[in-house]
Amino acid sequence: GAVVSQHPSRVICKSGTSVKIECRSLDFQATTMFWYRQFPKQSLMLMATSNEGSKATYEQGVEKDKFLINHASLTLSTLTVTSAHPEDSSFYICSARPMAGELFFGEGSRLTVL
Amino acid sequence: GNSVTQMEGPVTLSEEAFLTINCTYTATGYPSLFWYVQYPGEGLQLLLKATKADDKGSNKGFEATYRKETTSFHLEKGSVQVSDSAVYFCALSDNTGNQFYFGTGTSLTVIP
Repeated sequence: GAVVSQHPSRVICKSGTSVKIECRSLDFQATTMFWYRQFPKQSLMLMATSNEGSKATYEQGVEKDKFLINHASLTLSTLTVTSAHPEDSSFYICSARPMAGELFFGEGSRLTVL
Repeated sequence: GNSVTQMEGPVTLSEEAFLTINCTYTATGYPSLFWYVQYPGEGLQLLLKATKADDKGSNKGFEATYRKETTSFHLEKGSVQVSDSAVYFCALSDNTGNQFYFGTGTSLTVIP
């Protein structure tokens, strides 16, 4: 079946640095990908919708300059957490779907900012 | 607007016990309903889904029926196993299938 892969699965960084997380659709093309954030013991909150070849659409309350999203190809979207702070520590999950198909989720990336 | 409310956990059951995790929703239009499962350290996996009223989704012994009259999509399994220990999320998608709304998740631990 369709697979969505994220990298890295775990990353630890120092406060003030930037971190890039990749989301790839391995066997289908995805014009749209979605980025979620999951706090401990809470649900997934949609952060933004990533559109291939155009700007991402951010949900209310999500800082677009903080969370940079680039969807450069039909199989790759990246989320860059800029000038990371400890409060950005979280589990970030991406998802994508083939045309009119099921939504598939990546394995998630756990970010820890020291 | 659209939202999902699911039973708070954590839930601890003995192996072979009956499982019910309640999920209710509010939605405009005709949403599709889903249950996702998240095993420790992993992303979400689709467990089952139903796309219209009275549909029953089933997979791996789990079942849920789309009840429009009670706006519910409760997850059930007749006999849980230790390997079912995970966090379960109820979700709905809007008519486009692009916007997903998740419940807060219910952690299930099954003990031998």
